[in-house]
Amino acid sequence: DIQMTQSPSSLSASVGDRVTITCRASQTITTHLNWYQQRPGKAPKLLIHDAAGLQSGVPSRFSGSGSGTDFTLTISSLQPEDFATYYCQHSYTVPLIFGGGTKVEVK
Amino acid sequence: EVQLLESGGGLVQPGGSLRLSCAASGFTLSSYVMYWVRQAPGKGLEWVSLIGDNGEITSHSDPVKGRFTISRDSSKNTLFLQMNSLRDDDTAVYFCARAQGGWPNKNLDCWGQGTLVTVSS
Repeated sequence: DIQMTQSPSSLSASVGDRVTITCRASQTITTHLNWYQQRPGKAPKLLIHDAAGLQSGVPSRFSGSGSGTDFTLTISSLQPEDFATYYCQHSYTVPLIFGGGTKVEVK
Repeated sequence: EVQLLESGGGLVQPGGSLRLSCAASGFTLSSYVMYWVRQAPGKGLEWVSLIGDNGEITSHSDPVKGRFTISRDSSKNTLFLQMNSLRDDDTAVYFCARAQGGWPNKNLDCWGQGTLVTVSS
């Protein structure tokens, strides 16, 4: 199975900060990589599909990049509603595997 | 409005069974690949099962293979997860989710609110 490693597992940031989260696959997954946001007690929400595709309705401050094994989610200017946990997920094959998550907390 | 609504969770003893339902509205469930994903308390997301848009393809993760069965009823626009031989480590919130399109899409663009399954004696 393809393993997904996210880093960091948590970070502290302030409103207006630029935030970067990374995800590494154990083998190449081309651009089959999605990013989700999950707020406490809520369902995950798809932010970025296929490594860099902004999901409809998601603010443009979110962006994704990468291919092969290394991927990045960037929030250009952190907003109050962005404090949440973020997960990567490969969509290359079955089984689907999610990264361990990155919790973005208030500094 | 596109919506998924899970039901059927609850407290069950180890070795017991439970059937989860996921009612879809605003779209035709049989036109999409559908998934079950779970989240143990305080933990990350774990894929459980999928069913293809044609209903012929199903797949389950290794921890639930042979115990869980995914199915759907197109006439009711509803997805199911039959869970047998439940174990303590099956305790989790179970989400149903829709992929963005037909097979083999794995981008989950619509999620239900989740239903809690607690396995405990």
